[in-house]
Amino acid sequence: AQKITQTQPGMFVQEKEAVTLDCTYDTSDPSYGLFWYKQPSSGEMIFLIYQGSYDQQNATEGRYSLNFQKARKSANLVISASQLGDSAMYFCAMREGISGTYKYIFGTGTRLKVLA
Amino acid sequence: DAMVIQNPRYQVTQFGKPVTLSCSQTLNHNVMYWYQQKSSQAPKLLFHYYDKDFNNEADTPDNFQSRRPNTSFCFLDIRSPGLGDTAMYLCATSTGQTDTEAFFGQGTRLTVV
Repeated sequence: AQKITQTQPGMFVQEKEAVTLDCTYDTSDPSYGLFWYKQPSSGEMIFLIYQGSYDQQNATEGRYSLNFQKARKSANLVISASQLGDSAMYFCAMREGISGTYKYIFGTGTRLKVLA
Repeated sequence: DAMVIQNPRYQVTQFGKPVTLSCSQTLNHNVMYWYQQKSSQAPKLLFHYYDKDFNNEADTPDNFQSRRPNTSFCFLDIRSPGLGDTAMYLCATSTGQTDTEAFFGQGTRLTVV
């Protein structure tokens, strides 16, 4: 069963606009972590933002924020004031397992294109 | 300043010819991971080490092996590459603690011809 679901294969956004990338997850663990990574065409995975399952507030990192809705099991990434350099693949990931044997499971990604 | 370094960045190998990909880290992290990412797909975990403890994913083909001789280095060996093994191979590290992300290298693009 899919543990991380990203339903948007591709998205377009106008430069300087905000965009939301969707992510839903499935787990029965009470403790888990959710991550977003950016992968430019060069291939490297760049960490953007983290949300822990017990965190009361939504995570924010500069222009990135995470809209965490625990009851809905969703962890959407919001990018504000999009820039041309934001064009890339974006992956949602979940950490599962126990401390010391954590694994990071990825969704299929969303390709974002920022338009000038 | 690269913290997770993969070599080579690009590798072309012949069908059936063994190939080794390497990964080194300067972070002194306990955990090292190998992921396979085929074109337009999610990274798929092949295996990971917590220190010297090896954890193999159930669906990782036997053709894929790994070695971790010390904390800093980890190798991915593909004993008899097939055309379907053409992919990006990503190495990552983490502390193994809660609330920490995985740090990735730049990847090795492997092409089997």
